[in-house]
Amino acid sequence: SQELEQSPQSLIVQEGKNLTINCTSSKTLYGLYWYKQKYGEGLIFLMMLQKGGEEKSHEKITAKLDEKKQQSSLHITASQPSHAGIYLCGADGSSNTGKLIFGQGTTLQVKP
Amino acid sequence: SAVISQKPSRDICQRGTSLTIQCQVDSQVTMMFWYRQQPGQSLTLIATANQGSEATYESGFVIDKFPISRPNLTFSTLTVSNMSPEDSSIYLCSVRDGTDTQYFGPGTRLTVL
Repeated sequence: SQELEQSPQSLIVQEGKNLTINCTSSKTLYGLYWYKQKYGEGLIFLMMLQKGGEEKSHEKITAKLDEKKQQSSLHITASQPSHAGIYLCGADGSSNTGKLIFGQGTTLQVKP
Repeated sequence: SAVISQKPSRDICQRGTSLTIQCQVDSQVTMMFWYRQQPGQSLTLIATANQGSEATYESGFVIDKFPISRPNLTFSTLTVSNMSPEDSSIYLCSVRDGTDTQYFGPGTRLTVL
């Protein structure tokens, strides 16, 4: 069965620093989704990547999907306390089913 | 983008009882799903809620424990039946729109005593 591995599991950065979170699959993905979750709350959609080599940015967050569509990274530039939370990658397997599998999440703390 | 609301937002229930969670979407969507997030864990798909027909359950989840209704393209309910403390989780409704973007509701935080 397909699995998604996220790294690191947790991250503490100083405000203003850049950081990267990685998400790796053992199989080629149909689509890769990034979400942010505040503790005990729902998931906030950040970005969706579907094409190999695709890169998307929103404000200070950039997400990339590699050419093989097996690895994605989420990069935050000049981190702020508002970026703190749990970042989750989710993915469709081989087709557009909507049945996402998720990585274990990366907990980000940003120290002022 | 789809806006999803869930009721209740949280509840504390006694062992052996049942709770029905509602999910309302502000637009018609074909694909609707229910996920569970156990404490300290990531999300696991429970089932796909099919409009006008029985839900499709993932391995490890059964209709008797998690009956689902979906009477139309904007609404669904998930019932957690005969609850035990192991059912304490966040339950999330999710929809996929026509652009393949997948959204999640705010979640229902369930504690079973």
